[in-house]
Amino acid sequence: DAKTTQPPSMDCAEGRAANLPCNHSTISGNEYVYWYRQIHSQGPQYIIHGLKNNETNEMASLIITEDRKSSTLILPHATLRDTAVYYCIVRGNSGGSNYKLTFGKGTLLTVNP
Amino acid sequence: NAGVTQTPKFQVLKTGQSMTLQCAQDMNHEYMSWYRQDPGMGLRLIHYSVGAGITDQGEVPNGYNVSRSTTEDFPLRLLSAAPSQTSVYFCASRQLRNTEAFFGQGTRLTVV
Repeated sequence: DAKTTQPPSMDCAEGRAANLPCNHSTISGNEYVYWYRQIHSQGPQYIIHGLKNNETNEMASLIITEDRKSSTLILPHATLRDTAVYYCIVRGNSGGSNYKLTFGKGTLLTVNP
Repeated sequence: NAGVTQTPKFQVLKTGQSMTLQCAQDMNHEYMSWYRQDPGMGLRLIHYSVGAGITDQGEVPNGYNVSRSTTEDFPLRLLSAAPSQTSVYFCASRQLRNTEAFFGQGTRLTVV
């Protein structure tokens, strides 16, 4: 699986958009980009995933660059409850790598009042 | 729909004791996995299973055993607990194709 690089921490003002970057320069053509978050002491929660097109759901938007070497998770109107560690994960869909989610250290997003 | 249920939520063991962490899901998911999370670190994969009767090792399998006799259950066994196994353990499940994983709320284990 491709390795991802995320900043260790970010701050955002409540009500503003939070833009969380992720670099995955070694991603291969059949690997998806997944985002999860973990609110303190809870189990991780799925947010969104994509292959090459931008994706949007009720929680967030995912913007993947054309060369797929980086992506940005956007929380359009951050609230205090969005304070969490956000994990960007790249996962393949062939062979044994299809089954594993490999977590890095993620980005601690702190939403300030 | 209960999702992924882990029991117990908290446990204290003495070094050398054995115990089983339980994980059950009611979503008919083929894939189940166990992670551990230590302070300040991400989740590390211990063992996983792609279906009943099929298990495999993850990144940190030593000291842990698993079995998968049914689709619903995926217990994690510590045969002889060590202080290094003090951690928070998370169980997850999902369908095999590229879909979201669902996580339990975790078991906080302390080995003294």
